[in-house]
Amino acid sequence: KAGVTQTPRYLIKTRGQQVTLSCSPISGHRSVSWYQQTPGQGLQFLFEYFSETQRNKGNFPGRFSGRQFSNSRSEMNVSTLELGDSALYLCASSPLTGRNEKLFFGSGTQLSVL
Amino acid sequence: GQSLEQPSEVTAVEGAIVQINCTYQTSGFYGLSWYQQHDGGAPTFLSYNALDGLEETGRFSSFLSRSDSYGYLLLQELQMKDSASYFCATHNRDDKIIFGKGTRLHILP
Repeated sequence: KAGVTQTPRYLIKTRGQQVTLSCSPISGHRSVSWYQQTPGQGLQFLFEYFSETQRNKGNFPGRFSGRQFSNSRSEMNVSTLELGDSALYLCASSPLTGRNEKLFFGSGTQLSVL
Repeated sequence: GQSLEQPSEVTAVEGAIVQINCTYQTSGFYGLSWYQQHDGGAPTFLSYNALDGLEETGRFSSFLSRSDSYGYLLLQELQMKDSASYFCATHNRDDKIIFGKGTRLHILP
């Protein structure tokens, strides 16, 4: 079974631009969640999608949004980029929604905002 | 607030045993998970404790004491490839996952 795939692996943007990141979950997994990882704040939950519906959301501004398609693939969008958005963005998949004790992570997209 | 506290760094010798602690303060408790992340890599699930006691998976074991709001990950027979960051994680009442800031494990030959 293929693992969680995230594209692109690296991305460089400038302040004010917007960016879209993509995540393909493990086949059969219907839950996709997104995380921001920085050296200072660690891993922080952004949001979770299950069956094309946002099920939960972390404490991030509205510039961070996402969606999920009928094939469970998910995209995350960040608009009006700020320097502080530079981070590793990880997605994870799991078969079910809720309190998943086991998440399967992708290798992430490293976003640099200049 | 809700938080999980871990030491930022731990150093151990190849072949030895090391324990990485995690203390938590959360609204409700819904189990403790552990993940390993190598530099540039994806976090990988290691272990999960829902109840008090020890869970063993090969060289890795995880322990939980809900009365002490405390858990730890035990790595035995350390190998150089175990050099990585280790995260504990749990959920709050709103089903949001919370991670500790991670423990960087350095292994000396």
